[in-house]
Amino acid sequence: NAGVTQTPKFRILKIGQSMTLQCTQDMNHNYMYWYRQDPGMGLKLIYYSVGAGITDKGEVPNGYNVSRSTTEDFPLRLELAAPSQTSVYFCASREFGGTEGEQYFGPGTRLTVT
Amino acid sequence: GNSVTQMEGPVTLSEEAFLTINCTYTATGYPSLFWYVQYPGEGLQLLLKATKADDKGSNKGFEATYRKETTSFHLEKGSVQVSDSAVYFCALSDVVSNYKLTFGKGTLLTVNP
Repeated sequence: NAGVTQTPKFRILKIGQSMTLQCTQDMNHNYMYWYRQDPGMGLKLIYYSVGAGITDKGEVPNGYNVSRSTTEDFPLRLELAAPSQTSVYFCASREFGGTEGEQYFGPGTRLTVT
Repeated sequence: GNSVTQMEGPVTLSEEAFLTINCTYTATGYPSLFWYVQYPGEGLQLLLKATKADDKGSNKGFEATYRKETTSFHLEKGSVQVSDSAVYFCALSDVVSNYKLTFGKGTLLTVNP
């Protein structure tokens, strides 16, 4: 199993541009999550999904959108990039009924908006 | 709501020193507790976990005991190695939050030879 994969690894965007961060997992997990990690601030939940077709907001959803058309994929969309979205983005997944919240993380996407 | 507070870093130790990273929590339910580790340039990996009071999680020489009376889950290792240099995150989840993880801010550990 590859686990959770994310693309791209790095990206530089200009203010106002759009992009999609890709996330795929091959573990047949129902739950998927998007976090952003800012220096010294831990991880903040952006959006999550409990299964295909079902998504919900986390702590910091503004400026982002998600979709979940398949179990495997959970892309994160930035429509109008702003400097405040400069961060490292992590995707994670968890199996349904899995051990009390244990999540598997991808390697991250480092995004810079200038 | 849920929250996790862990000791501020950075922490710098010499090889073979004893490590403690403090973590306390506030939770509305009966949480499970986790320590995740992030090596430079990588994503987070689960280091250890405990799912009920007085449980001890352990892995790779690291240990943490779930203390309900003090709402704590301190991470310890008796003898650190250079390869332990990383950022360590304490986290919790519970059924009230639908098992979403709440993280502390992370503690950067640097171990010098």
